[in-house]
Amino acid sequence: LAKTTQPISMDSYEGQEVNITCSHNNIATNDYITWYQQFPSQGPRFIIQGYKTKVTNEVASLFIPADRKSSTLSLPRVSLSDTAVYYCLVGVSNYGGATNKLIFGTGTLLAVQP
Amino acid sequence: EAGVTQSPTHLIKTRGQQATLRCSPISGHTSVYWYQQALGLGLQFLLWYDEGEERNRGNFPPRFSGRQFPNYSSELNVNALELEDSALYLCASSLILGTANTEAFFGQGTRLTVV
Repeated sequence: LAKTTQPISMDSYEGQEVNITCSHNNIATNDYITWYQQFPSQGPRFIIQGYKTKVTNEVASLFIPADRKSSTLSLPRVSLSDTAVYYCLVGVSNYGGATNKLIFGTGTLLAVQP
Repeated sequence: EAGVTQSPTHLIKTRGQQATLRCSPISGHTSVYWYQQALGLGLQFLLWYDEGEERNRGNFPPRFSGRQFPNYSSELNVNALELEDSALYLCASSLILGTANTEAFFGQGTRLTVV
């Protein structure tokens, strides 16, 4: 099971671009990298998922270097409503081995200030 | 399309009682996951069910148990409640992970308070 390491917290200001990096040195060949966002007292919400290089959607971009040992979630022009905890997850389940890999780490608390 | 629904939204129990929490997954999803999130803390993985069977279990005592029904809905039971069981319990559903690009969808949770 690939372990992930993220900063505990980050501060930003409205309108800035925020980059949150996640380390996953033991990522396996079949593992995907997924990011979730969680607001207080709510369930996490899927943001973006990727395998390699760059993925972009309407919310964020995900940059994955060639060695895939880390990934960076990029949030363009954050607003106050982006204040939340962001989780990086690595892996997909190995159905044959019945190994669930939807395990959340401690996440990064992003605080956006005016 | 309806998302993951959990019931009840709030539950208050006294120490020693049993609590039953319910989760209905998104239509077509066969996997259901349960998490415990104590106030201010991260998500602790509890259980994973798929196709009616328990596939994996987190580091929780046996008084935390559950099941998945033929319609893929799920129940989490917590016996002999303790004060520290007070938390937000989240359920998520997905297609079976194991193929590319599968995401899990979360419900809004059940807030369990043990007094």
